[in-house]
Amino acid sequence: NAGVTQTPKFRILKIGQSMTLQCTQDMNHNYMYWYRQDPGMGLKLIYYSVGAGITDKGEVPNGYNVSRSTTEDFPLRLELAAPSQTSVYFCASSYGQQGNTIYFGEGSWLTVV
Amino acid sequence: GQQVMQIPQYQHVQEGEDFTTYCNSSTTLSNIQWYKQRPGGHPVFLIQLVKSGEVKKQKRLTFQFGEAKKNSSLHITATQTTDVGTYFCAGRGYQLIWGAGTKLIIKP
Repeated sequence: NAGVTQTPKFRILKIGQSMTLQCTQDMNHNYMYWYRQDPGMGLKLIYYSVGAGITDKGEVPNGYNVSRSTTEDFPLRLELAAPSQTSVYFCASSYGQQGNTIYFGEGSWLTVV
Repeated sequence: GQQVMQIPQYQHVQEGEDFTTYCNSSTTLSNIQWYKQRPGGHPVFLIQLVKSGEVKKQKRLTFQFGEAKKNSSLHITATQTTDVGTYFCAGRGYQLIWGAGTKLIIKP
């Protein structure tokens, strides 16, 4: 059971570079999420998707973009990386929203220098 | 807007002592979930509470949901080194809002 798989696990970016964090889930979940977690802090929702072709902003969407062309995949794009985007990024998924368990990927550690 | 406050931010305990973390919501919740994140790991689902006044136990962990469905607590009895990590609540109002987490630290 792969669950939620995200890549890369670690990445160093230079200021102004762009990159895509990949996320895929094999549980046929309709909801997918991207969170960021700054050191010693809680989770902040960046974007979420309720199904293929539908995405919506979360709490901290600025500087990021997402797409959801399939049920399985939910990539997160960072454009013009800034030091403030240094964080751990978690992709997650759930079946439905109300009261359903959220399953997290193992995280992607991103440093912008 | 909807907020979930979680306290304390950190709790240092001797192994064998008890640990408690509290979550308070600004609005009534339909349910609340608890997650554990080990150091360097990702959040893992522990439990969900739905009913007013609900109490659930998992071995040494006791979870409570307040009568007004605006607060919740997690109590760990006789902590062990395997309990180390950060415990998050996530309250469902019109959206899911995460508490900031309580980090459980075992004193050497």
